[in-house]
Amino acid sequence: KAGVTQTPRYLIKTRGQQVTLSCSPISGHRSVSWYQQTPGQGLQFLFEYFSETQRNKGNFPGRFSGRQFSNSRSEMNVSTLELGDSALYLCASSLDSSGAEAFFGQGTRLTVV
Amino acid sequence: AQKVTQAQTEISVVEKEDVTLDCVYETRDTTYYLFWYKQPPSGELVFLIRRNSFDEQNEISGRYSWNFQKSTSSFNFTITASQVVDSAVYFCALNPGAGSYQLTFGKGTKLSVIP
Repeated sequence: KAGVTQTPRYLIKTRGQQVTLSCSPISGHRSVSWYQQTPGQGLQFLFEYFSETQRNKGNFPGRFSGRQFSNSRSEMNVSTLELGDSALYLCASSLDSSGAEAFFGQGTRLTVV
Repeated sequence: AQKVTQAQTEISVVEKEDVTLDCVYETRDTTYYLFWYKQPPSGELVFLIRRNSFDEQNEISGRYSWNFQKSTSSFNFTITASQVVDSAVYFCALNPGAGSYQLTFGKGTKLSVIP
């Protein structure tokens, strides 16, 4: 059974640009969540999607957005990139049951220069 | 509000020693879920265990064991006879349940096992 796949693995962008990250969940998992990991703030929840609807959102500015497609694949977008957006972005998928374990991808390492 | 505290930032042990990673959590929910994840240098978070708030039974899985105590809001993780491959960052996390799919993570404990 394939795990969670995130693409690309690495990205370098310039301040002011926008970026789109992709996540393919484990087959059968309909809940997809995104997290940002930085040395200073640790792992922080961005948002969670289920059936193409955002159910939960973390405390991030509107520059961070996402969406989910009918096949449960998800994308997140960051517009007007700032240096502080440099981070490891992790995607997780889980079954739709409260408290279900989340399975993570290897992440996308975004560097903003 | 949910909070998870991992007071140990870094731990170094010699191979074959036992090591315990501490986790203390705060929540007002009566139903919640606790998790441990391992993050090797590759970056992927690897799921280790899940516990719900109604199940305080301790668990052992091979060299790993977990001690969940609601009275002290702790969910500690012990590795017995540590190995070099155990070197990683370990995260404790809390999910409040009740329809929430958001994990609140601790800051992580970096474990280095020295051969």
